[in-house]
Amino acid sequence: QSALTQPASVSGSPGQSITISCTGTSSDVGVYNYVSWYQQHPGKAPKLMIYDVSNRPSGVSNRFSGSKSGNTASLTISGLQAEDEADYYCSSYTSSSTVVFGGGTKLTVL
Amino acid sequence: EVQLVESGGGLVQPGGSLKLSCAASGFTFSVSAMHWVRQASGKGLEWVGRIRSKANSYATAYAASVKGRFTISRDDSKNTAYLQMNSLKTEDTAVYYCTRLPRDYTYGMDVWGQGTTVTVSS
Repeated sequence: QSALTQPASVSGSPGQSITISCTGTSSDVGVYNYVSWYQQHPGKAPKLMIYDVSNRPSGVSNRFSGSKSGNTASLTISGLQAEDEADYYCSSYTSSSTVVFGGGTKLTVL
Repeated sequence: EVQLVESGGGLVQPGGSLKLSCAASGFTFSVSAMHWVRQASGKGLEWVGRIRSKANSYATAYAASVKGRFTISRDDSKNTAYLQMNSLKTEDTAVYYCTRLPRDYTYGMDVWGQGTTVTVSS
């Protein structure tokens, strides 16, 4: 199972919006609505930001939103804040009942 | 407080074995699927494997990179999941996290441990 494809880095200024893409195949992202997104600050454990493509866990800011079209999922962060600077990972359940992560995207808030 | 605490990491020689534990508290462990995810230094997250609940026959699944070498188990009476790692390779060096899926028919690992470091080196 190959890793999902994410851009290595994205950047934006405070207050702007950014979108991180996550491209898989018809055997993972495209087969179920089972895509999640994680935020990871240096030296910390990952934190769930989006589950089941577009749902936010309790406590996660509504500035974070998720979507999916075909084999590509996306995470959008609106109203960028300095604290959003982190690594972001997408993940998908697969048709083989396994899990695959994306390579990660480093978000820089300029 | 909902919590996962990993233990058992350390230094091991190539070809050796190590068993990690993941102690859960603050939630109904027995209904959760438990996953292990690892992260090599400076690298991304890599899924290792998972074990489902008793209701799902404790079914396990593994990444191709560890299949046949790693085994995941659980003891619901102790609220603990385990990762038995055999035939360790230098490329298994990583921080190992345990995490959970809270219920069936949803996909989002909502609770993570702090991680335990495994170093495979001679």
